[in-house]
Amino acid sequence: GQNIDQPTEMTATEGAIVQINCTYQTSGFNGLFWYQQHAGEAPTFLSYNVLDGLEEKGRFSSFLSRSKGYSYLLLKELQMKDSASYLCAVRDGDYKLSFGAGTTVTVRA
Amino acid sequence: IAGITQAPTSQILAAGRRMTLRCTQDMRHNAMYWYRQDLGLGLRLIHYSNTAGTTGKGEVPDGYSVSRANTDDFPLTLASAVPSQTSVYFCASSEGDDTGELFFGEGSRLTVL
Repeated sequence: GQNIDQPTEMTATEGAIVQINCTYQTSGFNGLFWYQQHAGEAPTFLSYNVLDGLEEKGRFSSFLSRSKGYSYLLLKELQMKDSASYLCAVRDGDYKLSFGAGTTVTVRA
Repeated sequence: IAGITQAPTSQILAAGRRMTLRCTQDMRHNAMYWYRQDLGLGLRLIHYSNTAGTTGKGEVPDGYSVSRANTDDFPLTLASAVPSQTSVYFCASSEGDDTGELFFGEGSRLTVL
């Protein structure tokens, strides 16, 4: 299995920036994913990193360092609708995807 | 556009009963997955199928079985339900390409008493 660690909860103010860190240990590596999950809903795909560096997609960016087993998801210009759980997931050498427990982000006015 | 459909949405079940959660996708995706989601533990993979006719065990397969007779359907069966199987179950599919993006169903909330 995989060890995937991310903080349990984070709180930020509307319009601010929040960075959600994820560290992992895996047997083989074939990509790191971030998913967003609103309460009571299904997870939805946010980003995918397989090479080191930063991937930017609108207000969301994701960074990967394979040598450090580290990723972060950066949420800019926070909006109330960004209040959700953010799931870090790692695909192993067998192409199976394992998820971290998720980080609940609360955006306050 | 339907995507992935799960049924039932919610079910209360007596311990010892047999239960099948249904999952159907209309995207012609090769790979399908069953996850359970429990508070504080995140999503854990139960079983998966990389293509029709093949299945594999995930992280927590005990007490569950699956079949993949065709591309569209991937039912999950609990042969004899136990209270520890109370959870929210998500079915997902992917094209199996490099990006590996998963598309999730809306989930099935199962309570075993």
